[in-house]
Amino acid sequence: EIVLTQSPGTLSLSPGERATLSCRASQSVSSSYLAWYQQKPGQAPRLLIYGASSRATGIPDRFSGSGSGTDFTLTISRLEPEDFAVYYCQQYGSSRSWTFGQGTKVEIK
Amino acid sequence: EVQLVESGGGLVQPGGSLRLSCAASGFTFSSYWMSWVRQAPGKGLEWVANIKQDGSEKYYVDSVKGRFTISRDNAKNSLYLQMNSLRAEDTAVYYCASNPRYCSGGSCYSWFDPWGQGTLVTVSS
Repeated sequence: EIVLTQSPGTLSLSPGERATLSCRASQSVSSSYLAWYQQKPGQAPRLLIYGASSRATGIPDRFSGSGSGTDFTLTISRLEPEDFAVYYCQQYGSSRSWTFGQGTKVEIK
Repeated sequence: EVQLVESGGGLVQPGGSLRLSCAASGFTFSSYWMSWVRQAPGKGLEWVANIKQDGSEKYYVDSVKGRFTISRDNAKNSLYLQMNSLRAEDTAVYYCASNPRYCSGGSCYSWFDPWGQGTLVTVSS
């Protein structure tokens, strides 16, 4: 089973700063099945990025995804107040199962 | 408007059963894989199960195999999760999510979108 490890656990930043979130897989995964989600308290997750780098419909261009193999990154170029939330990466494996990373919380510094 | 609405959550004793439902609207439900994802209080997301468009393929996380059954009724645009032999560790908010898949240029892509608002299942005596 592929394990996704996200780092850091918590990122303390100010509005306007750049956020860089990491997702590392325990073995190589297909980029086409790597997604990122945002979750705010009391809400369902929201799709941000699919295929490692494609933005979902309606997602602002300050969100970008990159990476391949075992290392993937979600970048928020300039944090807006509404971006403070928890972010999860997700992958689909050969065993026909999905796994999520443990999440990175982006909090206001 | 694309919408998924879960129902059926509640308080159940250990060893008990519960059936969750997810009503879909605003999209062609029968064209999509569907999934259940859960989130224990204060914890991260865990994929639970998914089902193919026609119900012919179903997959589960190891921790629920033999206890949970995913099913769907395309005529009713509904997804279900039958949960038996419930344990305290099954306590979570359960979300249903559409699981689109498409292939282009030799690569296939998949993701979870949209998601329902979730229904809380509490297993406790």
